[in-house]
Amino acid sequence: ILNVEQSPQSLHVQEGDSTNFTCSFPSSNFYALHWYRWETAKSPEALFVMTLNGDEKKKGRISATLNTKEGYSYLYIKGSQPEDSATYLCASRGSQGNLIFGKGTKLSVKP
Amino acid sequence: KAGVTQTPRYLIKTRGQQVTLSCSPISGHRSVSWYQQTPGQGLQFLFEYFSETQRNKGNFPGRFSGRQFSNSRSEMNVSTLELGDSALYLCASSLGGGAVRTEKLFFGSGTQLSVL
Repeated sequence: ILNVEQSPQSLHVQEGDSTNFTCSFPSSNFYALHWYRWETAKSPEALFVMTLNGDEKKKGRISATLNTKEGYSYLYIKGSQPEDSATYLCASRGSQGNLIFGKGTKLSVKP
Repeated sequence: KAGVTQTPRYLIKTRGQQVTLSCSPISGHRSVSWYQQTPGQGLQFLFEYFSETQRNKGNFPGRFSGRQFSNSRSEMNVSTLELGDSALYLCASSLGGGAVRTEKLFFGSGTQLSVL
């Protein structure tokens, strides 16, 4: 059974702080790792899809790394802004099929 | 390009009733997957359809069913509703359902179902 864990469950930071979250997933039969941002009253939106061990992706102030051998991914936000407030979801797809999501990390950025 | 459209946006039903939710994927996308979101839980996978065939199914009772039409639109049906079925139901579409490793999901806004 594929189990995806995210930590912390929630995070409160001040504007300008840099922060990071963790996603752990089973490393066997790994296929792809997804990160989504889910803002309140909106739809989840894809940030990154990573497949290769050691992969690093960047989108503006947000970046992510992937370690498929040990089964974890980090998401970093540099200089958090209030508009970064959202729930960040990671999801892992095994070679057999569907995407399994973690419960998410809820980020609140105070001005 | 229109996004993923889910209807209705809100729904109130009573226990024992049945409900049908609809999802229209992005044009050209052949895969539609459905997820249930309840407070404190992550997105729980219900099922995935690709070219009118159910490709994967999550761990939900048989009261939850779905189908996909030739135009890739999908419907999800829940029969004999229970209070615990109250949730946000999201659908997501993609081109090939993971056939390309870097393929991402595009989500709809969801249907908020309340069972009284």
